[in-house]
Amino acid sequence: GESVGLHLPTLSVQEGDNSIINCAYSNSASDYFIWYKQESGKGPQFIIDIRSNMDKRQGQRVTVLLNKTVKHLSLQIAATQPGDSAVYFCAENGVTGGGNKLTFGTGTQLKVEL
Amino acid sequence: NAGVTQTPKFRVLKTGQSMTLLCAQDMNHEYMYWYRQDPGMGLRLIHYSVGEGTTAKGEVPDGYNVSRLKKQNFLLGLESAAPSQTSVYFCATHRGQGDTQYFGPGTRLTVL
Repeated sequence: GESVGLHLPTLSVQEGDNSIINCAYSNSASDYFIWYKQESGKGPQFIIDIRSNMDKRQGQRVTVLLNKTVKHLSLQIAATQPGDSAVYFCAENGVTGGGNKLTFGTGTQLKVEL
Repeated sequence: NAGVTQTPKFRVLKTGQSMTLLCAQDMNHEYMYWYRQDPGMGLRLIHYSVGEGTTAKGEVPDGYNVSRLKKQNFLLGLESAAPSQTSVYFCATHRGQGDTQYFGPGTRLTVL
């Protein structure tokens, strides 16, 4: 799975199947995690986020799971569609005195096969 | 990319030339960031600003300067472009501490 620092380049799934993209983070003090979707030639688009006091959060067709014990984050996409094809990044936020210092993973390319 | 625009979209420079990238936002956000994105690497923070008139260095600031004279604009300058600065540059903004960052569409820069 993806790691903040390592990456799984490509995940291929069949249309209609569920997708799971994983991310390992290193900073146990991180308090906020975000998943972004980036389509070719576009900027990252916010998908879903989760605070460190939660272990699960659901959105529309997406669920993020956080396991602080093993410092692992996952993004689940239900009933994957062709429009979900993109690169997915996880990011962890280490809050400092100024701004949100996000550390990004290198991304996972999701390919949806018809 | 709600309310965040970047100018230009594409640019080709020769080594040693200078240029300025503009990020503009109409959401009245306090915080603005400049990142670069290179193949096989995650987004890396160049500089950021926590409000009008303030700037700070990020992870990879060398070779870049920034200014935030107006709240809605964050400028990224390359004083003397180098091939190593060939990249896609993204601006991001957010309202307050702990809020989600929203990204612009990017500027693709090639330095020959």
